[in-house]
Amino acid sequence: DAGITQSPRHKVTETGTPVTLRCHQTENHRYMYWYRQDPGHGLRLIHYSYGVKDTDKGEVSDGYSVSRSKTEDFLLTLESATSSQTSVYFCAISESGNEQFFGPGTRLTVL
Amino acid sequence: DQQVKQNSPSLSVQEGRISILNCDYTNSMFDYFLWYKKYPAEGPTFLISISSIKDKNEDGRFTVFLNKSAKHLSLHIVPSQPGDSAVYFCAASTAYSGAGSYQLTFGKGTKLSVIP
Repeated sequence: DAGITQSPRHKVTETGTPVTLRCHQTENHRYMYWYRQDPGHGLRLIHYSYGVKDTDKGEVSDGYSVSRSKTEDFLLTLESATSSQTSVYFCAISESGNEQFFGPGTRLTVL
Repeated sequence: DQQVKQNSPSLSVQEGRISILNCDYTNSMFDYFLWYKKYPAEGPTFLISISSIKDKNEDGRFTVFLNKSAKHLSLHIVPSQPGDSAVYFCAASTAYSGAGSYQLTFGKGTKLSVIP
């Protein structure tokens, strides 16, 4: 299994609160991704990174920001959480940009 | 506009039989296709992939078939086992065409239940 961890694994927060999710890899892979999974929608890309300090938006980026200051860490921030951001968030890594390997997920509930 | 479609939300198969999961795509620029398996409360795991220069790729009990003219791919699992019960996601990218940025576009998934 690829060395990829996510923290926290579960979080409950209130509307309007800032939230940061962390993805950490030990594989030194170039590409890192944040997805959300919701019933009826499959996996949707939020943001991705193709190198340190190099990031770009995905399909559902509104309300989210990311940062990658080190190869191994990719942070996802919800500046002001809303109930529509209640979801399961997955981080993924890839060396080539093709096969992606996923972390265990973070279940976020926004009340 | 859904570019990758898995039209069957669920599928039930008897143990030992063949499971066939289908996926259709609309973007003719897609040139690399992947299948992922996901168990509840876990992240998706990569299963098998195929590039557009091939029409078949096999790995043990798993075979993926690609029909470019029909923009259709399928995953065959033979024989099916109870441990195969999971949600299967089809994904596509434009990696080789140079038009993409190494993003994957996922279908909504098909829940496979293998009945003992």
